[in-house]
Amino acid sequence: GENVEQHPSTLSVQEGDSAVIKCTYSDSASNYFPWYKQELGKGPQLIIDIRSNVGEKKDQRIAVTLNKTAKHFSLHITETQPEDSAVYFCAASMDSSYKLIFGSGTRLLVRP
Amino acid sequence: GAVVSQHPSWVICKSGTSVKIECRSLDFQATTMFWYRQFPKQSLMLMATSNEGSKATYEQGVEKDKFLINHASLTLSTLTVTSAHPEDSSFYICSARPYGPLAGGSQETQYFGPGTRLLVL
Repeated sequence: GENVEQHPSTLSVQEGDSAVIKCTYSDSASNYFPWYKQELGKGPQLIIDIRSNVGEKKDQRIAVTLNKTAKHFSLHITETQPEDSAVYFCAASMDSSYKLIFGSGTRLLVRP
Repeated sequence: GAVVSQHPSWVICKSGTSVKIECRSLDFQATTMFWYRQFPKQSLMLMATSNEGSKATYEQGVEKDKFLINHASLTLSTLTVTSAHPEDSSFYICSARPYGPLAGGSQETQYFGPGTRLLVL
């Protein structure tokens, strides 16, 4: 079955700097890749997603890139702010089941 | 839009009792609802997939007789943890996939509830 690996497990950046989180997936049939932000004690919140027919997608300070050949995708956050501090999860799914397989998570800390 | 609620938000129960958790999509109809389990500082692990009007599909290693799932309508799914034990203590989270894509979303988008924290004493 699908396996999603996520790196790094923790990331500390200065406010205003950029943060990059990377994920790789194993099943080439996966075609949908969302990113979720989870704050302590809360459910995950979708922040951006991308389908396999698109190489890049941007929404204000957040962008996601996808390399289907290499089977990896990345989350880019620019001009980080303290409120961006949270745990970020990548995930992958395919049309046949829509089941999300999550990465292990990245704890992002933005230092003021 | 795309709000999913869970009830209760937290529950404490004695070992051996059963606990029911509700998951509702408040402003959309959900073709499919998913149930996840998350231990502290770990990722979300899919437990089962629930489709309205049909039996749930459980992931490997998840006991279907212990975690009973009922998807009674297009807006409600329930998870019942039967004969709960301390090792069942966890954060249970549901998600819902809309019947049709919502504004800003796609047919694959899942919207998550706020989670239910279960503590079994």
